[in-house]
Amino acid sequence: QVQLQESGPGLVKPSETLSLTCTISGGSISSYYWSWIRQPAGKGLEWIGRVYISGTTHYNPSLKSRVTMSVDTSKNQFSLTLSSVTAADTAVYYCARGKNAGRFDPWGQGTLVTVSS
Amino acid sequence: DIQMTQSPSSLSASVGDRVTITCQASQDITNSLNWYQQKPGKAPKLLIYDASNLETGVPSRFSGSGSGTDFTFTISSLQPEDFATYYCQQYDNLPRFTFGPGTKLDIK
Repeated sequence: QVQLQESGPGLVKPSETLSLTCTISGGSISSYYWSWIRQPAGKGLEWIGRVYISGTTHYNPSLKSRVTMSVDTSKNQFSLTLSSVTAADTAVYYCARGKNAGRFDPWGQGTLVTVSS
Repeated sequence: DIQMTQSPSSLSASVGDRVTITCQASQDITNSLNWYQQKPGKAPKLLIYDASNLETGVPSRFSGSGSGTDFTFTISSLQPEDFATYYCQQYDNLPRFTFGPGTKLDIK
């Protein structure tokens, strides 16, 4: 079955750019939207945005000015960059597949990113 | 934006209990609602989609109902592995997705 795995630095300095990659195994990146979702410690889930194989992207308006997502079909990966980070961006970041318009399944295991100097 | 609320925010129950969680949308979302279970340190897991459809492989003690603005998630007979946090999620106004604040279910 399809499995997702996030990777990237666990520590990012304030004002710098957070970069994460999600690698898909057991299936193709084609024909689905691929999303990033984050969760600050002890808090709820926030959808960051999604990317399609064509490169089409949709972002959460609250983060849109700082977010970029892309797809690398040759590596079966998609990526997230979040610029000008602050402590408020500290969270566990999940990647997830979008199914049938609105469902997220499966999810990656999540990766903790801490913003600190 | 569509806002989601859940009640209660936390709930204590015993094995074998019937448990109900409600989710309310700030506007009509028809049946565009999913339910997830999240255990500590783990990613959320999809349980119910389109308000009332059981995801493949999910035990039948889980169920969902509702449409419009009011939705209900029920566990008919709590099992030890069900103690977790549950989130609703709307997808009516694509491509904007929002989650409810969660309901933490723990052991009484």
